[in-house]
Amino acid sequence: GAGVSQSPRYKVAKRGQDVALRCDPISGHVSLFWYQQALGQGPEFLTYFQNEAQLDKSGLPSDRFFAERPEGSVSTLKIQRTQQEDSAVYLCASSNRAVGETQYFGPGTRLLVL
Amino acid sequence: KNQVEQSPQSLIILEGKNCTLQCNYTVSPFSNLRWYKQDTGRGPVSLTIMTFSENTKSNGRYTATLDADTKQSSLHITASQLSDSASYICVVTHDYKLSFGAGTTVTVRA
Repeated sequence: GAGVSQSPRYKVAKRGQDVALRCDPISGHVSLFWYQQALGQGPEFLTYFQNEAQLDKSGLPSDRFFAERPEGSVSTLKIQRTQQEDSAVYLCASSNRAVGETQYFGPGTRLLVL
Repeated sequence: KNQVEQSPQSLIILEGKNCTLQCNYTVSPFSNLRWYKQDTGRGPVSLTIMTFSENTKSNGRYTATLDADTKQSSLHITASQLSDSASYICVVTHDYKLSFGAGTTVTVRA
């Protein structure tokens, strides 16, 4: 595929609302990563999938955050009962393998919780 | 908590001038160190990658250096262009995890 795509690009949610962010990785890429980037900061690791297996979710900030990749391709990051501190850019990246391979980033979804 | 520190936080340079960005890290051990360029509203794009044994790597007008003993890296931009205006992020990789610096915002003015 052309590159990593994410949707929506922008999302405004009311506090308490649930949101779902989608990531379409590069076709054939085994590994998929989610990051959270606060304004003026570098991205922070959230979770990592190898195919459909979620191998690391240590970066998820709370149990309101849930990610899945059921068929080893498209992934969804779900945030339940959104809070204002969840406002950030959520970046998705994919790579051919996990270790040492370049991660290719999508454009991100900018989430604003009011 | 942050294991990758970058300086300066931001800088403004005139078109055609050179600049150098700094990165100090404490991540250990590490697989490689990368410099990413992130344009506003876009995802980061890898510029250079260096492993433990490499001291320098160039990509066009971008030259990265690495001193693994002092855990320092730099990114030098030569003959800056307006399109170089972006955030430059130092990223240290350990296994599959990336540790990002906060980035240096570079503004190139005509």
